[in-house]
Amino acid sequence: DVQLVESGGGLIQPGGSLRLSCAASGFTFTPYAMNWVRQAPGKGLEWVSFVSSSSGIIFYADSVKGRFTISRDNAKKSLFLQMNSLRVEDTAVYYCARLSSRGAATFDYWGQGTLVTVSS
Amino acid sequence: QSALTQPRSVSGSPGQSVSISCTGSSRDVGAYNFVSWYQQHPGKAPKLIIFDVTKRPSGVPDRFSGSKSGNTASLTISGLQVEDEADYFCCSHAGSYTLGVFGGGTTLTVL
Repeated sequence: DVQLVESGGGLIQPGGSLRLSCAASGFTFTPYAMNWVRQAPGKGLEWVSFVSSSSGIIFYADSVKGRFTISRDNAKKSLFLQMNSLRVEDTAVYYCARLSSRGAATFDYWGQGTLVTVSS
Repeated sequence: QSALTQPRSVSGSPGQSVSISCTGSSRDVGAYNFVSWYQQHPGKAPKLIIFDVTKRPSGVPDRFSGSKSGNTASLTISGLQVEDEADYFCCSHAGSYTLGVFGGGTTLTVL
């Protein structure tokens, strides 16, 4: 079965940094583009960042551009999100999500999420 | 404020049908046939239930169906079951440099 397991969340002060990880299993990781999507408490989903299968194409939402860096290690079947200069409004559950090969804007598998709380 | 507009809540009785709308613009929902829907139970990860406006992944019951007219997409759930009670989110392709814009989510209550 496809599994995505996030880790690395926690409580951090504004201006701080965190690195999230997502471990993939149950499928061939390399061919798939991956994403981070977040959900603030009681709010809707927000796409955060995309990385192509070879890391050659990377996109960010305007809200995190210049502060967050997405990366992946295909050998270790892992996805990462380095978050710097964190703001209170970055507080959310962060999900890693696989981009389906079958359609655009289609995230076919999601992890359980890791909570990031930015607060003083 | 989310890019796509969904009703905050809908409700129905077991066996009935409900529809959830997802209104965007000519830059997203109206421009592409790439709308997906996700079901999320409390504390759980979202689950893909509709993609490319009308398609269902394997394992999703045919009680779930999708459609689109102009800038509005819709999810219809027929023969409501208690286990359908969840939050539902829509997502649309919105062009280059973004992988998708989401709706704010709709809470379905099965009375």
